Amino acid sequence: AQKVTQAQTEISVVEKEDVTLDCVYETRDTTYYLFWYKQPPSGELVFLIRRNSFDEQNEISGRYSWNFQKSTSSFNFTITASQVVDSAVYFCALSESYYGGSQGNLIFGKGTKLSVKP
Amino acid sequence: DAGVTQSPTHLIKTRGQQVTLRCSPKSGHDTVSWYQQALGQGPQFIFQYYEEEERQRGNFPDRFSGHQFPNYSSELNVNALLLGDSALYLCASSLENGGRLGAFFGQGTRLTVV
Repeated sequence: AQKVTQAQTEISVVEKEDVTLDCVYETRDTTYYLFWYKQPPSGELVFLIRRNSFDEQNEISGRYSWNFQKSTSSFNFTITASQVVDSAVYFCALSESYYGGSQGNLIFGKGTKLSVKP
Repeated sequence: DAGVTQSPTHLIKTRGQQVTLRCSPKSGHDTVSWYQQALGQGPQFIFQYYEEEERQRGNFPDRFSGHQFPNYSSELNVNALLLGDSALYLCASSLENGGRLGAFFGQGTRLTVV
């Protein structure tokens, strides 16, 4: 069965600290997709990244970076030099390959609430 | 370019009533999914529509039904509301062949059942 575990329920850091959000997933499929979403207090889920199971290259986008390791079924997210605007709930999600390549439904973790204090 | 829009933003209903939530996908998107997010939890998949057909469904009872129109917009209907249906309902749109892009979510409809 598919499952996403975000063991950290809440994290609190001081501005400019680096912070890593952990994500561990379970799936029996060989082709799947992994995602990170940000949910600010407004409620809208903001797409951050999608990675397919065949691409284990780490990715950096500005202050954000992602570390995908199939050997440990982990897809961790690091924010460098955190800012107050980074405060939000972050969700990791998993999707099977479906219909010839498009993503299927998203299986979300329970989320990690990040609070960045000035 | 408008993103995913949902209406209404908030709704209060009485137990046993029926409710209809609406979603307009991001321009050009052809696939719409609905999720239920209880307080403090991650979103749970309800169903997905493509080409006006429900093609995937999560573990939700038949009281939850939906529809997709030719312009790709969608409705979520919930019958015989229960107190436990109180949640944030999120609509997500995507392209069937979306490449590296993930689904785009609306701001949600906050449903309160009293």
